[in-house]
Amino acid sequence: NAGVTQTPKFRILKIGQSMTLQCTQDMNHNYMYWYRQDPGMGLKLIYYSVGAGITDKGEVPNGYNVSRSTTEDFPLRLELAAPSQTSVYFCASLRVRTGHGYTFGSGTRLTVV
Amino acid sequence: AQSVTQLDSQVPVFEEAPVELRCNYSSSVSVYLFWYVQYPNQGLQLLLKYLSGSTLVESINGFEAEFNKSQTSFHLRKPSVHISDTAEYFCAVSDPSNTGKLIFGQGTTLQVKP
Repeated sequence: NAGVTQTPKFRILKIGQSMTLQCTQDMNHNYMYWYRQDPGMGLKLIYYSVGAGITDKGEVPNGYNVSRSTTEDFPLRLELAAPSQTSVYFCASLRVRTGHGYTFGSGTRLTVV
Repeated sequence: AQSVTQLDSQVPVFEEAPVELRCNYSSSVSVYLFWYVQYPNQGLQLLLKYLSGSTLVESINGFEAEFNKSQTSFHLRKPSVHISDTAEYFCAVSDPSNTGKLIFGQGTTLQVKP
């Protein structure tokens, strides 16, 4: 199994540009999450989904959108990139009630200039 | 609201020395507690977890953590560290909403020196 796959690994955007960060998991996990990691700040939850067709905001959702049309995919959309969105983005999935914890992707490092 | 505080941003230690990474949390309800490890340029991996039962939990690579409800702590310890343990370590607490959300601490960088 591939686990959680994120693409791209690196990206440089100009202010005002848009992009989609892709996240796919092949473990049939219902729950999926997007976090951003900033130095000294830990991980902050952007959006999450408890199943196909269901999404909800996390702690820092402004400037982002998500969709969950299938169990496998959970893309994160940046509509108008801003320098404050420079960060490392992690996607994670979870099979609930197993106590196994999240499976994380390898991350996308985004720079907005 | 839940919160997690990792009391040290960086912990330098010599190889084969013991180490403790401190984590305190605040919560008004029962929680699940986790430690994740992030090696350079990689995603996070689950190191160990407390869900219920024995308050002392262990990982396969020699780390252990003890859940202390009265002190609301979940400190991570290892009696003898290796160079390969150099990484960033994150403590996390479960959100009580039953959605699997986690609240992460700020992270502690463990730097093991030869």
